[in-house]
Amino acid sequence: DTGVSQNPRHKITKRGQNVTFRCDPISEHNRLYWYRQTLGQGPEFLTYFQNEAQLEKSRLLSDRFSAERPKGSFSTLEIQRTEQGDSAMYLCASNEYVGRRGEQFFGPGTRLTVL
Amino acid sequence: GESVGLHLPTLSVQEGDNSIINCAYSNSASDYFIWYKQESGKGPQFIIDIRSNMDKRQGQRVTVLLNKTVKHLSLQIAATQPGDSAVYFCAENEDNDMRFGAGTRLTVKP
Repeated sequence: DTGVSQNPRHKITKRGQNVTFRCDPISEHNRLYWYRQTLGQGPEFLTYFQNEAQLEKSRLLSDRFSAERPKGSFSTLEIQRTEQGDSAMYLCASNEYVGRRGEQFFGPGTRLTVL
Repeated sequence: GESVGLHLPTLSVQEGDNSIINCAYSNSASDYFIWYKQESGKGPQFIIDIRSNMDKRQGQRVTVLLNKTVKHLSLQIAATQPGDSAVYFCAENEDNDMRFGAGTRLTVKP
């Protein structure tokens, strides 16, 4: 399968713990995006990378959230000191940046439950 | 503030009928729109896109209409099938910053 993959698919953690999610984009895609989706809502943009450069991070939800893409391939999203309000689906998407527009290909998401 | 949204949260249609899902946007500077389909437990899947220099675009069984005068976008699905049951999102894409509406849940009755 050459699509976007995310691991783990599900994560249950206790409040206060740190969690890290991984996204493997489609191999030739230079842009990678992270979104959060809560029940009944559309995905909410968090941050994105072009290659290894993080071009937008002002919309990360708090300083407990951070993301990396050290070699311009896979990316990780970390949430420190998780709170119950962090429970959501975390989606990753990728595309090959062409001008201003382009379809984003989404992975299946990681569902986080904070107890 | 600017937003992308949908008129109805749910839509129920009979199998074989045509479906129309609507979306209103408020940013008149938006120049690219995408419709996504999301099935339960999966990530959004691209259906069709349209640029602001067009008012209609057709795909396989789907048509997107754009009315810039009233800032309205619609997705038409012809001969709706049970496999079309999902949540449909319109999204505004500005320089790869995708902003989604809340979605419409389409249910297809056999």
